[in-house]
Amino acid sequence: DAGITQSPRHKVTETGTPVTLRCHQTENHRYMYWYRQDPGHGLRLIHYSYGVKDTDKGEVSDGYSVSRSKTEDFLLTLESATSSQTSVYFCATTPYIQAETQYFGPGTRLLVL
Amino acid sequence: GIQVEQSPPDLILQEGANSTLRCNFSDSVNNLQWFHQNPWGQLINLFYIPSGTKQNGRLSATTVATERYSLLYISSSQTTDSGVYFCAVEGRIKAAGNKLTFGGGTRVLVKP
Repeated sequence: DAGITQSPRHKVTETGTPVTLRCHQTENHRYMYWYRQDPGHGLRLIHYSYGVKDTDKGEVSDGYSVSRSKTEDFLLTLESATSSQTSVYFCATTPYIQAETQYFGPGTRLLVL
Repeated sequence: GIQVEQSPPDLILQEGANSTLRCNFSDSVNNLQWFHQNPWGQLINLFYIPSGTKQNGRLSATTVATERYSLLYISSSQTTDSGVYFCAVEGRIKAAGNKLTFGGGTRVLVKP
């Protein structure tokens, strides 16, 4: 699991409120990713980071922003949560671009009412 | 972008049975990985296999890159094999960063 933790693990919030999810890794991996998992869709990439302060959009980035001020932390922010953002969010890391695996955190279950 | 389809969507097995899961992808790939998500939600990498064949215990995988598919074989299934199996790929044309596109998964239930 490459020492990946996510916080919080569960959250219930109301529509329109801001939410920040945190991913923390202890392996000094360069690349970090945020995915969401929804029934029927597998996992879909939201944003990723290829270094400190270097981030880019993934497949489903609308409504989300990210920040990476330190190697070990990658934050995902929902500026104004909507019910369509109810999902399970996974963070992943990999040490280098040709790495043969991504390592996943335990996930954060978010419910937006 | 690249499309990834997995079949079957659901599979029920009796303990001890063998099975084959399939992953079709729509374009050439640099990277293909198989993952297992256990019933508690944890995702674990099983194989990195953009081409060729690999084996790990009772699991093996084969990717035929020229025909754009990969197969995951589970032999002598055990109840601990239950969960969802995902295939994930990265297309050959990539901007940066090992970005994976996941299939919809195959949900496997192994009955004792």
